[in-house]
Amino acid sequence: DVKVTQSSRYLVKRTGEKVFLECVQDMDHENMFWYRQDPGLGLRLIYFSYDVKMKEKGDIPEGYSVSREKKERFSLILESASTNQTSMYLCASSFDRGFNQPQHFGDGTRLSIL
Amino acid sequence: AQKVTQAQTEISVVEKEDVTLDCVYETRDTTYYLFWYKQPPSGELVFLIRRNSFDEQNEISGRYSWNFQKSTSSFNFTITASQVVDSAVYFCALSEVSRGAQKLVFGQGTRLTINP
Repeated sequence: DVKVTQSSRYLVKRTGEKVFLECVQDMDHENMFWYRQDPGLGLRLIYFSYDVKMKEKGDIPEGYSVSREKKERFSLILESASTNQTSMYLCASSFDRGFNQPQHFGDGTRLSIL
Repeated sequence: AQKVTQAQTEISVVEKEDVTLDCVYETRDTTYYLFWYKQPPSGELVFLIRRNSFDEQNEISGRYSWNFQKSTSSFNFTITASQVVDSAVYFCALSEVSRGAQKLVFGQGTRLTINP
């Protein structure tokens, strides 16, 4: 089974802090994704990566950056956290670029910015 | 642009009732894939099913069944004889290829509560 592991289930940070969310997958998947989930809005794509050191903006990239130095690890960075970034963050991976591939998700990180 | 609409925000039924979750999508692509995911209270999204645009056969897996109708751009999900463990948020999603990678466009989700 594919395992996508997010480093924290719950995280509390302060406004202005630099925040790192880490995600690791163990199935040698090419693609990795970061979403945020908010009530009534479903999942919205922040960034994705289809190869090491490659990254593409999703639908809501403002205020975020990402890093993919190794194939198995994809980090989401909040450069200067703000209260409107309080949300559930979900990481996912998929095998390759084929558009029939299901994405496999981690358990999520519930982030609160105070 | 691709769009997925799950008009039912919340559904609450009594155990053993049948329940259908609606999903309507918009796309200009002739080839595409549709997915359903389940998100239990633990938070992880669990992949349930994938359906391609050329296959309009209904699918049944135990108490779960899916009805894909291209003519109405719908991909509805029915749970027969619901159980408390079916309580979760359910998401419908549509795939698209963007800048060389597959993306999923998700609906808003339907929160399903099964009461004992």
